[in-house]
Order: sequence, then structure tokens, then C-alpha cells
Amino acid sequence: SQTIHQWPATLVQPVGSPLSLECTVEGTSNPNLYWYRQAAGRGLQLLFYSVGIGQISSEVPQNLSASRPQDRQFILSSKKLLLSDSGFYLCAWSVRVAGGDTQYFGPGTRLTVL
Amino acid sequence: AQTVTQSQPEMSVQEAETVTLSCTYDTSESDYYLFWYKQPPSRQMILVIRQEAYKQQNATENRFSVNFQKAAKSFSLKISDSQLGDAAMYFCASSGRGTSYGKLTFGQGTILTVHP
Repeated sequence: SQTIHQWPATLVQPVGSPLSLECTVEGTSNPNLYWYRQAAGRGLQLLFYSVGIGQISSEVPQNLSASRPQDRQFILSSKKLLLSDSGFYLCAWSVRVAGGDTQYFGPGTRLTVL
Repeated sequence: AQTVTQSQPEMSVQEAETVTLSCTYDTSESDYYLFWYKQPPSRQMILVIRQEAYKQQNATENRFSVNFQKAAKSFSLKISDSQLGDAAMYFCASSGRGTSYGKLTFGQGTILTVHP
């Protein structure tokens, strides 16, 4: 069966510091991978998605970047965090099939920027 | 482009009763998918049910069923025999098969409280 991991689970960082959040998927090959951000008490906003190694599409211009160095690894980064980067970050995976795909989510990372 | 609207910020239900959560959507895609996700206090998003727009039959998953009204662009979730474990925030979402393939657009969510 497929599983998705995210770490760290919780992170508190000062403004201006760098960021690296990691997501890995097990039990599947060549998944589509996604990064979402959820502000407190609100819906999710798609930040980045990737259909393969090195292929990243950005949905929202911002202070963040994403990379996919391996097939089942997806990394969210920032060189200098802003207060507005605080939130709950969720990684998701899907496999493209003839009938469309369904996204499955990881446990998330709660980021607080002070 | 896609938009998803959940007009009920909060709903409550008595244990063992039935509750319906509302969702309306708009999309420029000719073919698309609709989803309901559940987010319990742990905040992990859990898929509840999925509907393919080209299928007229409403999807069901055990106690969860949807009422899909394509012409009205409505996609409500019915929870039967509500249980305490159903308490969570529920999100309606859509994705298309064209330019928005794989890109989920979420509503703002409905907090469901289940009273014993």
C-alpha cells in the first residue's frame, strides 16, 4: 500500500531564516506530487505541483520554491521566511489513471514564523 | 477556472441522525471530478467520496452519499447515522480533466459537530 510522509511535523522559525520541508511517498512509482498551504480555519491553496523529476509548476507567485530531486521526493524551500509564510503545509500524491486521479494527503507540517 | 463555495461555515447533528453539507461549484472544464475531504483535529486530509461528473449515478461510500445536480452545479454530502468520529471540517473540492487536470480547488470548509 502507498504511504506519504512529511517532516518535520512542527516547525518554528524566525523571520528571514531558510526553510526546507520534505515529503516522500512509498509504494508507488512516478506519482504526481503537490504542495498545498492552509491558512488557519480556511481551505487549501495549491502552491506547486510536479509530474516528474525536475518538473515543477508554480501556481502562486511567492517567497517559496519547490524541487523534486527524486521520483518520490518533493521538497518545499524558502531562502528567507516571511511572517505571511506561517501556515499548515500539506503534501499530496496522485497517480494519473484513465479515469482521472485522486489526491491523497500527508499528515502535514505546521509552520510558525515569528 | 474553478470555484467552489461552501455556504455553511458550521453544522451540527445529533449522533445517529442524518446531516447534509452543501457545496456549489463553477468550472470552465467540460469534464471534471468532485470530492469531499474530511479534516479531523489531526488536520490530515482524508478522502471521503469522489464523483465523476460524466456519471449520472450518485456516488456512495457506506454511510456517506452525494447528491450531484450537474445542471445546478451542486454537490452535497449526506452523512447517515452520524457518529462521534464524523466530527471534523469537511471540504468540497473539484478538479478538471483539461487545463486544470490534477489541480484541486477547495471550498472554505464546513465544521461539523456531532452531539452525543
